Amino acid sequence: GAVVSQHPSRVICKSGTSVKIECRSLDFQATTMFWYRQFPKQSLMLMATSNEGSKATYEQGVEKDKFLINHASLTLSTLTVTSAHPEDSSFYICSARDPGGRRNTEAFFGQGTRLTVV
Amino acid sequence: GENVEQHPSTLSVQEGDSAVIKCTYSDSASNYFPWYKQELGKGPQLIIDIRSNVGEKKDQRIAVTLNKTAKHFSLHITETQPEDSAVYFCAASNRPDSSYKLIFGSGTRLLVRP
Repeated sequence: GAVVSQHPSRVICKSGTSVKIECRSLDFQATTMFWYRQFPKQSLMLMATSNEGSKATYEQGVEKDKFLINHASLTLSTLTVTSAHPEDSSFYICSARDPGGRRNTEAFFGQGTRLTVV
Repeated sequence: GENVEQHPSTLSVQEGDSAVIKCTYSDSASNYFPWYKQELGKGPQLIIDIRSNVGEKKDQRIAVTLNKTAKHFSLHITETQPEDSAVYFCAASNRPDSSYKLIFGSGTRLLVRP
């Protein structure tokens, strides 16, 4: 099946710095990827929809200047947490759909990135 | 927008027993309902899904039922095993209008006691 790879799996950064998380579709091209945030013991909250070659669509309440999304190619989307603060510490997960695949409605998830801001 | 509610939040069963998790959704236009299993520190993995033109789907020990009129769907796991212990999420999507984005339920922590 389709594979989505997310990197890094864990990252610790200092307050005020920026962190970039990568999401790659390894064996298919994804025109759309999704970024989720998950707090401990809570559900996945959709942050934004990443569209290849155009601006991301952010969900209500998500600061687009805080969470920069770039989808420069059909296999890579990046999420940059700018000027990170401890409250940004969370589990970030991306997903992608393989529009050309047999199961073209299934969303494949990355393994997640645990961000800790100290 | 769509809202998905999931119950129970925790479920403990004896190995071999069945487990049932229920979800309701608010948007009658939703037409795709996947279930995900998430293990600690990992991303969600799809275990089964159902589309709105189907009332029931089964895959070995796992089954999902959908009642469009009542706007609820359920996950059934039979002959549970300790390795079934994880957090399970239901989700709903209105495709293609919303570009297939998923709205998740709050999750159910399933514990299967040996």
